[in-house]
Amino acid sequence: DTGVSQNPRHKITKRGQNVTFRCDPISEHNRLYWYRQTLGQGPEFLTYFQNEAQLEKSRLLSDRFSAERPKGSFSTLEIQRTEQGDSAMYLCASSFRPGAGQETQYFGPGTRLLVL
Amino acid sequence: GQQLNQSPQSMFIQEGEDVSMNCTSSSIFNTWLWYKQDPGEGPVLLIALYKAGELTSNGRLTAQFGITRKDSFLNISASIPSDVGIYFCAGQLWGYGTASKLTFGTGTRLQVTL
Repeated sequence: DTGVSQNPRHKITKRGQNVTFRCDPISEHNRLYWYRQTLGQGPEFLTYFQNEAQLEKSRLLSDRFSAERPKGSFSTLEIQRTEQGDSAMYLCASSFRPGAGQETQYFGPGTRLLVL
Repeated sequence: GQQLNQSPQSMFIQEGEDVSMNCTSSSIFNTWLWYKQDPGEGPVLLIALYKAGELTSNGRLTAQFGITRKDSFLNISASIPSDVGIYFCAGQLWGYGTASKLTFGTGTRLQVTL
């Protein structure tokens, strides 16, 4: 299967700990997005990469959050000093967009984070 | 963050019935998408709409991109038990050098009874 993959699928951590999630996009997709979804809500945009460059960050992304995409392939999202309010599903999506125009994002299965 | 208005919030229907749901926004988009999400999984793309007024079908699913570019609807005909899940609309505004981030609706939870 060549879809978007995310690891781990589930993470339980204690408040104050650091966590890191990984996303592997569809091969040759140049854009990668991170979204956060809390219970009963739709996903909300956090940040996106075009190749290795992080080009936009949402105000939802506090300074405890950092994302990287070092070689323009996989991406990591790290949360430092986790808080209970960080508990959510973290979704990754990828797309291919050569220039301007239509772009379809395909989502991974998500990483569900629970902060105790 | 912004969420689009999606209705109904939830619906219980019987197998074989048709379903309609819609999504409205205060701002325009140049793409509308409909996703389905099962518990514990990521959203799966059902239909993408790229032009105002466009009507697109995918099997038993039909969706339309509103003429004002501020709304969209999704119809499911002859529902079956596997249609159960949460349906999300998403609007997208793309252009040169911009993040084509998706703005999602609040979701419609569909439950199908036999």
